[in-house]
Amino acid sequence: NAGVTQTPKFQVLKTGQSMTLQCAQDMNHEYMSWYRQDPGMGLRLIHYSVGAGITDQGEVPNGYNVSRSTTEDFPLRLLSAAPSQTSVYFCASSYSVALLGTEAFFGQGTRLTVV
Amino acid sequence: TQLLEQSPQFLSIQEGENLTVYCNSSSVFSSLQWYRQEPGEGPVLLVTVVTGGEVKKLKRLTFQFGDARKDSSLHITAAQPGDTGLYLCAGQLYSGAGSYQLTFGKGTKLSVIP
Repeated sequence: NAGVTQTPKFQVLKTGQSMTLQCAQDMNHEYMSWYRQDPGMGLRLIHYSVGAGITDQGEVPNGYNVSRSTTEDFPLRLLSAAPSQTSVYFCASSYSVALLGTEAFFGQGTRLTVV
Repeated sequence: TQLLEQSPQFLSIQEGENLTVYCNSSSVFSSLQWYRQEPGEGPVLLVTVVTGGEVKKLKRLTFQFGDARKDSSLHITAAQPGDTGLYLCAGQLYSGAGSYQLTFGKGTKLSVIP
């Protein structure tokens, strides 16, 4: 199984450009989420989804949109990139958030630089 | 406000030494997880502890959940260069409507020098 697949691995954007970070999982997981990881800040939750058609905001949602049209895919859209969005982005999935101790599976990350 | 405080933030030790990493909070967690992240990769789960006072061992790694379920520690015996990485603790909180939310600490970056 591929697990959680993120594309691209690296991306450079100019300020004001838009783009979509792709995330797909093949484990039939109910829950998917996006985090950004910055030095000294840890993993911060951007958006999450508890199932197809359902999304919600996390800790740092501004400047990002998500949608969940299928169980497998959870793309993250940057509407108008800003240098403050330079970060490493991780997509994660879990079988269910209704289960205590459920494991989060992470993709390999997308390193985004906004110039 | 950081819900989970990890200490130390950085740790550099010689191969063969022992070390302990701490994860503390004022909140009570339903479960506590430890992940390890290597450069260029996503975090990978090491262990989940659920019961207050629970101790789990994974080879040279010992994980403990505090009695009050507010804190946890990770102890590594005889550290090896392969233990190098970023160690993240993550707490699971009940967020209502039958679901749990996972929140991460900032991590401890461990370097084991041969």
